[in-house]
Amino acid sequence: GENVEQHPSTLSVQEGDSAVIKCTYSDSASNYFPWYKQELGKRPQLIIDIRSNVGEKKDQRIAVTLNKTAKHFSLHITETQPEDSAVYFCAASMLGSARQLTFGSGTQLTVLP
Amino acid sequence: DTGVSQNPRHKITKRGQNVTFRCDPISEHNRLYWYRQTLGQGPEFLTYFQNEAQLEKSRLLSDRFSAERPKGSFSTLEIQRTEQGDSAMYLCASSSRRDGGMNTEAFFGQGTRLTVV
Repeated sequence: GENVEQHPSTLSVQEGDSAVIKCTYSDSASNYFPWYKQELGKRPQLIIDIRSNVGEKKDQRIAVTLNKTAKHFSLHITETQPEDSAVYFCAASMLGSARQLTFGSGTQLTVLP
Repeated sequence: DTGVSQNPRHKITKRGQNVTFRCDPISEHNRLYWYRQTLGQGPEFLTYFQNEAQLEKSRLLSDRFSAERPKGSFSTLEIQRTEQGDSAMYLCASSSRRDGGMNTEAFFGQGTRLTVV
């Protein structure tokens, strides 16, 4: 089955700096890669997703890049703000959709004011 | 709140007891998923329903676990003879199928936190 590894497990940045979180996946058949943000005690919420037919997607301060050859994808947050502090999870699915998502182990992002 | 609703939010039970959780998905969503999340880890897929049909089950779903979605709306997850290792957050999510077959994103509920003592 699919295996998703996520790094780093913790990340601290100064407010205004950029943050990058990286994930690798094992199965080249995976074709859907969402990123979820989970604040303490709250539900995971989708912040951005990308499908394997594109290499990059951007939404305001958030961008995701995908390298299918290397089987890795990354989340980039620019101009970080304290409210960006949360746990971020990457995930992958071979079914082109939200079915049977395999999640990474999460990155605790702390944005220091 | 018109999102995915889960009840109860917290459940403490003694080892060996049975527990049942409920999930009410977003009303127009025909796909429903159960995930389990332990502390410091990402959610792990348990099972998937399309309407009332349970189409996929993870090997994590032992025979003590059973899920139903009798009318294609709400779903229940029952754990029989609970063990301490069952302690986790149980998350439900739902999505819909767009024309052309691609899902919308999966919207998660706030989860039911189970503690087995």
